[in-house]
Amino acid sequence: RKEVEQDPGPFNVPEGATVAFNCTYSNSASQSFFWYRQDCRKEPKLLMSVYSSGNEDGRFTAQLNRASQYISLLIRDSKLSDSATYLCVVSRMDSSYKLIFGSGTRLLVRP
Amino acid sequence: NAGVTQTPKFRVLKTGQSMTLLCAQDMNHEYMYWYRQDPGMGLRLIHYSVGEGTTAKGEVPDGYNVSRLKKQNFLLGLESAAPSQTSVYFCATGTRIEEAQETQYFGPGTRLLVL
Repeated sequence: RKEVEQDPGPFNVPEGATVAFNCTYSNSASQSFFWYRQDCRKEPKLLMSVYSSGNEDGRFTAQLNRASQYISLLIRDSKLSDSATYLCVVSRMDSSYKLIFGSGTRLLVRP
Repeated sequence: NAGVTQTPKFRVLKTGQSMTLLCAQDMNHEYMYWYRQDPGMGLRLIHYSVGEGTTAKGEVPDGYNVSRLKKQNFLLGLESAAPSQTSVYFCATGTRIEEAQETQYFGPGTRLLVL
């Protein structure tokens, strides 16, 4: 079983739609959580960190449920430019602070 | 600032050939990482470094070696390339924001094809 699991998608939604992605992680020792975005043939870039209380950045809302070990990302009012792969990432507290990446969920926003 | 750069951007090798991938950063970050990304597999950590002169194995280190002689550079070597090493290679640098968090910044990637 992968340590971080995501639905690969693709999620195909019209512009203006609201879409949500979930991610589950298996290691209860995970301490930090992130969403990264990766455009086709480009490098991953940090979208947002995920805090226990939930956090929002414009149209993007991230939630963390430690008891159930899942993380979610909600995108409201989808734009064509939101089309990308969204990577769920967790970090464990050890001396190297390595990140564990999910395989990603692909989002396609159509006109 | 260039951020994180990788050289080369693309390379074709024959089985058994060797090569070195160079990662350079001007962000003064302590941590540096090499990942490979394959379809359906996500990013997998090959080797990493927590500081100049130190390296450690990641999840998939076999067939690769690394060196961190200078803080700003992290080299990934393939001594004898195999077709299974065909992949996209990303370098990343890391910084600790708070005690429990870290952000990583990625280079643009190197596409390697081993025939």
